[in-house]
Amino acid sequence: DAGITQSPRHKVTETGTPVTLRCHQTENHRYMYWYRQDPGHGLRLIHYSYGVKDTDKGEVSDGYSVSRSKTEDFLLTLESATSSQTSVYFCAIRPQGENTEAFFGQGTRLTVV
Amino acid sequence: QKEVEQDPGPLSVPEGAIVSLNCTYSNSAFQYFMWYRQYSRKGPELLMYTYSSGNKEDGRFTAQVDKSSKYISLFIRDSQPSDSATYLCAMSGEYGNKLVFGAGTILRVKS
Repeated sequence: DAGITQSPRHKVTETGTPVTLRCHQTENHRYMYWYRQDPGHGLRLIHYSYGVKDTDKGEVSDGYSVSRSKTEDFLLTLESATSSQTSVYFCAIRPQGENTEAFFGQGTRLTVV
Repeated sequence: QKEVEQDPGPLSVPEGAIVSLNCTYSNSAFQYFMWYRQYSRKGPELLMYTYSSGNKEDGRFTAQVDKSSKYISLFIRDSQPSDSATYLCAMSGEYGNKLVFGAGTILRVKS
């Protein structure tokens, strides 16, 4: 295992409620990513982080915010969940330098009803 | 137009066949190319990783990168039913920033 833990693994929430997903790593890697995966779209980047307090938007960032106050934790928040945010969310980590493979967590299945 | 294009399939082959999976891309800054395998309800796992152009072989798997054509391939020899999964290509630029994925190709190997 690459030392990545996502929590929760499954969640059902109501439209309009805030939701926070957590990604925790034990590898001390610099880069962390949040993706969503939907049928026909593959993995789409939501936000990523290149260090503590350093984050940037991906291609589908609307409706999402992130925070990284410690190297090991990267939080994804849906401020007011909508049904279109029903998806499987994956966190990935990646070191800097020559070894640039990314390693993924097991995913969080989120359903917004 | 997407930065990375990948045929979603599904691709269905008999056991023992040679499988060819492909991606094209538009961003000439991409330097690192990866192939991931994803089983149903699991996270993607890294299969192959290559830097710049050329070939890389690992057991039954061969990855090829042609930067002049902006085209990458993954070949699977002697395919097995256990190879049935979704295969995703991924790529990034020099400094490990954004990692961009293709849509994934569903592969089914029939016994």
